[in-house]
Amino acid sequence: GDSVTQMEGPVTLSEEACLTINCTYTATGYPSLFWYVQYPGEGLQLLLKATKADDKGSNKGFEATYRKETTSFHLEKGSVQVSDSAVYFCALIWNSGNTPLVFGKGTRLSVIA
Amino acid sequence: EAGVTQFPSHSVIEKGQTVTLRCDPISGHDNLYWYRRVMGKEIKFLLHFVKESKQDESGMPNNRFLAERTGGTYSTLKVQPAELEDSGVYFCASSQTRTGGSYTFGSGTRLTVV
Repeated sequence: GDSVTQMEGPVTLSEEACLTINCTYTATGYPSLFWYVQYPGEGLQLLLKATKADDKGSNKGFEATYRKETTSFHLEKGSVQVSDSAVYFCALIWNSGNTPLVFGKGTRLSVIA
Repeated sequence: EAGVTQFPSHSVIEKGQTVTLRCDPISGHDNLYWYRRVMGKEIKFLLHFVKESKQDESGMPNNRFLAERTGGTYSTLKVQPAELEDSGVYFCASSQTRTGGSYTFGSGTRLTVV
């Protein structure tokens, strides 16, 4: 079945460091891809998404590009802030809407001042 | 607009007891989803309601779990009797449409079975 694999955490970075969280997926076809973020004490929030190959999703300085050749959707940010500390989840869904979101295990990011 | 509300936020119960989790979706959202994250693992789908009907319950782990959505508004997820492996965070989400992953998630209920 469909699956999403994320890099294992936790990831600890200093403020202003570059961030990459790897995400690859296994699916037959081209689903929509998402990054969700869970800040401490809050629910999951959609961070960004891409619905077709070569699309780039971006939000709050984060970016991810849908790469069908490598079935990847890596999350990047050039300069992280302490407020970016959270758990990040990569996910996919089929555009038909007949199947639910499939999530990865999540990657905890801690940014220290 | 109010978001998706879940309560309780935390629950600690003993093995063998019963717990009921509640989710209030965004008003007007016909689709309601339950997910669960066991420590360190993926967030896994449990089931999907469209209004009051169960559209997909393929993710429900066993018959100790019972979900309802009376009147197509709020939903409850009852675990009876609870086992140690049921510990985790239970998320609820709602959406107007099924496509595009346009879900709004609640803050989750952290369930600990001891």
